[in-house]
Amino acid sequence: LAKTTQPISMDSYEGQEVNITCSHNNIATNDYITWYQQFPSQGPRFIIQGYKTKVTNEVASLFIPADRKSSTLSLPRVSLSDTAVYYCLVGSNTGGFKTIFGAGTRLFVKA
Amino acid sequence: EPEVTQTPSHQVTQMGQEVILRCVPISNHLYFYWYRQILGQKVEFLVSFYNNEISEKSEIFDDQFSVERPDGSNFTLKIRSTKLEDSAMYFCASSEGAAGGPYEQYFGPGTRLTVT
Repeated sequence: LAKTTQPISMDSYEGQEVNITCSHNNIATNDYITWYQQFPSQGPRFIIQGYKTKVTNEVASLFIPADRKSSTLSLPRVSLSDTAVYYCLVGSNTGGFKTIFGAGTRLFVKA
Repeated sequence: EPEVTQTPSHQVTQMGQEVILRCVPISNHLYFYWYRQILGQKVEFLVSFYNNEISEKSEIFDDQFSVERPDGSNFTLKIRSTKLEDSAMYFCASSEGAAGGPYEQYFGPGTRLTVT
């Protein structure tokens, strides 16, 4: 399982775009990149997943460069309710069904 | 939208007692997981379960832990003899396909276990 590195915390203001970058230098060919969001006392919630290039859904975009050694989660126009911990996970289902969460990035959105 | 449910939401038990945490995964999912999160710490993988057997487990999942799918809908985590350090939030998750690949995991709301 590839090790991931994210900033421990980030601050932003309402209405701004937030970009959280995750490094995963040892990503393997079969690995996908998945981001989860967690609010206090709740289970993690899937945000977005990608393999390469760019993926966009109704809540976020995920940018993955050609070498796939990093990825950037982009949250457009954040609101106070986006204050949460964001986890970047890298892995595949070929080596077993184990999922490793890192420490995540604590995003604090201010008014 | 389908969701994973867990019961109870909060369980208080005395050290040395057995507890069973219950989960109802999403009905068409085939892969099931348990995680724990000690207050203020990261989410830790405990075990994954597929085809009625454990697929993978972490070092935390020692002999005092067991999982079971007793019927077609429930997925349980048993802790045989609880310790103070087992106090944590326990999350169940399920996925349609094996996690880590192009399948997302759906997490339940968690059971807060307090061991006194």
